Amino acid sequence: DAKTTQPPSMDCAEGRAANLPCNHSTISGNEYVYWYRQIHSQGPQYIIHGLKNNETNEMASLIITEDRKSSTLILPHATLRDTAVYYCIVNPRGSGAGSYQLTFGKGTKLSVIP
Amino acid sequence: NAGVMQNPRHLVRRRGQEARLRCSPVKGHSHVYWYRQLPEEGLKFMVYLQKENIIDESGMPKERFSAEFPKEGPSILRIQQVVRGDSAAYFCASSPVAGVKQETQYFGPGTRLLVL
Repeated sequence: DAKTTQPPSMDCAEGRAANLPCNHSTISGNEYVYWYRQIHSQGPQYIIHGLKNNETNEMASLIITEDRKSSTLILPHATLRDTAVYYCIVNPRGSGAGSYQLTFGKGTKLSVIP
Repeated sequence: NAGVMQNPRHLVRRRGQEARLRCSPVKGHSHVYWYRQLPEEGLKFMVYLQKENIIDESGMPKERFSAEFPKEGPSILRIQQVVRGDSAAYFCASSPVAGVKQETQYFGPGTRLLVL
């Protein structure tokens, strides 16, 4: 059972920032927010993860609200190759049971439009 | 996808045959995970293995499915006596033992199994 809620689909103009929201109102203190994406017919690709601070890497930025009940993945300059299904996943880290079972919901289908 | 290799990429089997899916993790990774993705659905966890040990197989069907990760060689997901409902994409992921991104899972390209 996914613990996250995402819009089923979004459009974004090429070159603009894509802001993908995710609600995780039942997140607990030891759970991280992970983002993966799956381009058609490929395996999921890790994007970024965070606990409570905002994070940035070469692919994207992750903004987590102060109460940690929601987050936004930002692709700063979307390209056509960013068209994919984006999954927001909450998962504890550590060796406890379930910390390795990533639960993929339906995700958000992002379409980048020329 | 960080170097996880899976083969074959596509596999066609007739009902009752065996399917054998292989996964080579990222070099240095000793944790392997298998997931299944049915058409139009998200990935579902099947099994978690470390070298020579099955840690958690709670997501794997009790009958006909087995997995191994030997000391040498790739991880194998074996499906005996396949049925049409086994048709799906099977993804393998691996994670490192330790490090900054410990436990972040990196996925392979998947094996698409079609049972006729």
